[in-house]
Amino acid sequence: NAGVTQTPKFQVLKTGQSMTLQCAQDMNHNSMYWYRQDPGMGLRLIYYSASEGTTDKGEVPNGYNVSRLNKREFSLRLESAAPSQTSVYFCASRSSGSSTKQYFGPGTRLTVT
Amino acid sequence: AQKITQTQPGMFVQEKEAVTLDCTYDTSDPSYGLFWYKQPSSGEMIFLIYQGSYDQQNATEGRYSLNFQKARKSANLVISASQLGDSAMYFCAMSADTGFQKLVFGTGTRLLVSP
Repeated sequence: NAGVTQTPKFQVLKTGQSMTLQCAQDMNHNSMYWYRQDPGMGLRLIYYSASEGTTDKGEVPNGYNVSRLNKREFSLRLESAAPSQTSVYFCASRSSGSSTKQYFGPGTRLTVT
Repeated sequence: AQKITQTQPGMFVQEKEAVTLDCTYDTSDPSYGLFWYKQPSSGEMIFLIYQGSYDQQNATEGRYSLNFQKARKSANLVISASQLGDSAMYFCAMSADTGFQKLVFGTGTRLLVSP
C-alpha cells in the first residue's frame, strides 16, 4: 500500500497562474482533507470531503477549489495563485465510523512569486 | 471556537530521559478528541496518540502517553526514554466537530534530543 500520495512534491508558480494539486489514497477511506502549513504555524484545514460526492469548507477556503473525483482522489485547485498561498500543502484521509486517525501524505511545497 | 495552545516553542532533553510537551485546549463541546502528531525534518505528519474526552484512562502507545486532565483542559504528551530519533516538531490537535472531520492544530513544539 502506498497510503496517501501527493503530486507534485515541489512547485513554483508566478502570481496569477493556476494549478491543481493531486492527492490519492489506496486505503478505501471515505474522508479526505486538504491542509496548509505556514512557517511557525500548525496545519489549517482548507477543505474536506466526508464522502465521495461531498465537499465542505474548512478554516481557510478562500482562493481554493476542490474536487472529489472518486473515492480515491481529492484535488485542490488554485485558480489564480497569490504570494499568500506560498505554503506546504498536505492531503490526508481517514476511514469513517469510530476511526479517528488521519493519514497524511508527504506534502507539496508551493512557492508563489 | 476550538483552540489549541502549545506554549513551549522548543524543548531540550537528554537521551533516555523523559520529557513532557504541554498542550492546553479550549472548547465548549462535551465530546471531542485530542491528538498528537510528530513531524520530523523530512516533513511528513506521523500520528502518535489519541484521547477521547470520555475515555476514563489516559491513552498510551509504547513510549508515548497522554496526560489528560479534563478539568484543567490539558492534554500533555509524555515521551519516556527519549531517543535521538524523537527530535522533531510535535503538534497537538483537537477535533472541532462531532464527526471528527475538522482538526484544529496548535503551533507546535520543537523537541531536540541530545546524546
